Amino acid sequence: GNSVTQMEGPVTLSEEAFLTINCTYTATGYPSLFWYVQYPGEGLQLLLKATKADDKGSNKGFEATYRKETTSFHLEKGSVQVSDSAVYFCALSGAGKSTFGDGTTLTVKP
Amino acid sequence: DTEVTQTPKHLVMGMTNKKSLKCEQHMGHRAMYWYKQKAKKPPELMFVYSYEKLSINESVPSRFSPECPNSSLLNLHLHALQPEDSALYLCASSQGPHDRHPGGYTFGSGTRLTVV
Repeated sequence: GNSVTQMEGPVTLSEEAFLTINCTYTATGYPSLFWYVQYPGEGLQLLLKATKADDKGSNKGFEATYRKETTSFHLEKGSVQVSDSAVYFCALSGAGKSTFGDGTTLTVKP
Repeated sequence: DTEVTQTPKHLVMGMTNKKSLKCEQHMGHRAMYWYKQKAKKPPELMFVYSYEKLSINESVPSRFSPECPNSSLLNLHLHALQPEDSALYLCASSQGPHDRHPGGYTFGSGTRLTVV
């Protein structure tokens, strides 16, 4: 079956630091890949997506590239802000369902 | 309108109560979902409605009963819940049917349910 593995957290960074959150997946066929963000007390928000190999999704300074050869979709941001503190979920859709990673908690300190 | 609206935001209910959670979207999305999320965990799929028909039930106990009155509304009826059912219940929608949604989900803010 499909699965998503995210780097374990929590991750704590200083403001303006570079962020990478690793995500690898196992899937049959050609899934679409997503990053969702969940702020405290809220639902999940779609942050970015990629639907085929080599696609780059980007939004609000975050980027992730669909790498089929390494089955990865790592999330990056060049300079994080305190307001980026949240839980980040990597997810894929395929075989009729979406599969979520366990989530990575990011805390950004001033 | 690009939102999924869930009501109520918070709900406390006793184990003998009957209550309902409501979800509404006006984006013309054709699939709607109920997820359960425990603290510090990813969302777990409960039910999927595709074109207003129940297409997936992830072996959810019968004390949870979904209903899709029309393409914009999704309800979750609750009866005789247990304390371990306390969680954040999230509604989501997607543009395409559940097995083809490259656009991703739009989630509501959730209902925080506490069973006492």
